[in-house]
Amino acid sequence: DVKVTQSSRYLVKRTGEKVFLECVQDMDHENMFWYRQDPGLGLRLIYFSYDVKMKEKGDIPEGYSVSREKKERFSLILESASTNQTSMYLCASSLLVAGYGYTFGSGTRLTIV
Amino acid sequence: AQSVTQLDSQVPVFEEAPVELRCNYSSSVSVYLFWYVQYPNQGLQLLLKYLSGSTLVKGINGFEAEFNKSQTSFHLRKPSVHISDTAEYFCAVGIQGAQKLVFGQGTRLTINP
Repeated sequence: DVKVTQSSRYLVKRTGEKVFLECVQDMDHENMFWYRQDPGLGLRLIYFSYDVKMKEKGDIPEGYSVSREKKERFSLILESASTNQTSMYLCASSLLVAGYGYTFGSGTRLTIV
Repeated sequence: AQSVTQLDSQVPVFEEAPVELRCNYSSSVSVYLFWYVQYPNQGLQLLLKYLSGSTLVKGINGFEAEFNKSQTSFHLRKPSVHISDTAEYFCAVGIQGAQKLVFGQGTRLTINP
């Protein structure tokens, strides 16, 4: 069964910490995405990667960075976590052309205290 | 650029009643259309998709959607809902050659016994 795996379902971190969220896909997809989901705001794209070491800012990149050193792995980094980054984070992957849709991970609910 | 509007943020229905979740899109070129479902504290999973061909698309769990090009709509329907259909539903649109999908804001479907 093809899969996108997010390393943690629930995570609690302190303000000011550097936080790493990991995502791994086993479908040999070119594209990988990080979204954040907040009540009433839908899905907001943070960053997108279309190839190893290639990235593109999404709608809300401030306070975040990403790393894609291998095709199957896409990491989201909160450089200095703040309470307004408490949210549900969703990773997704797709073929180079998104016409066949995305496959999503189960999500990481991150709480910054 | 394309956009997606889900006309209802919340839809309450009684168990075994029919339901329609509305989705309208805007695009100047041909589109691909998707419906995703998100159960509580989980990621999104694909319900159904329209790429081309028959405008009536059948998906998992008894859901179906109809692509209406003239009305730029892709409404999701189920003739008889169950408590287990309680979830958030997202409509998404992509265009040929594009790498990213555009998501609607989501519709929360609540099933009352």
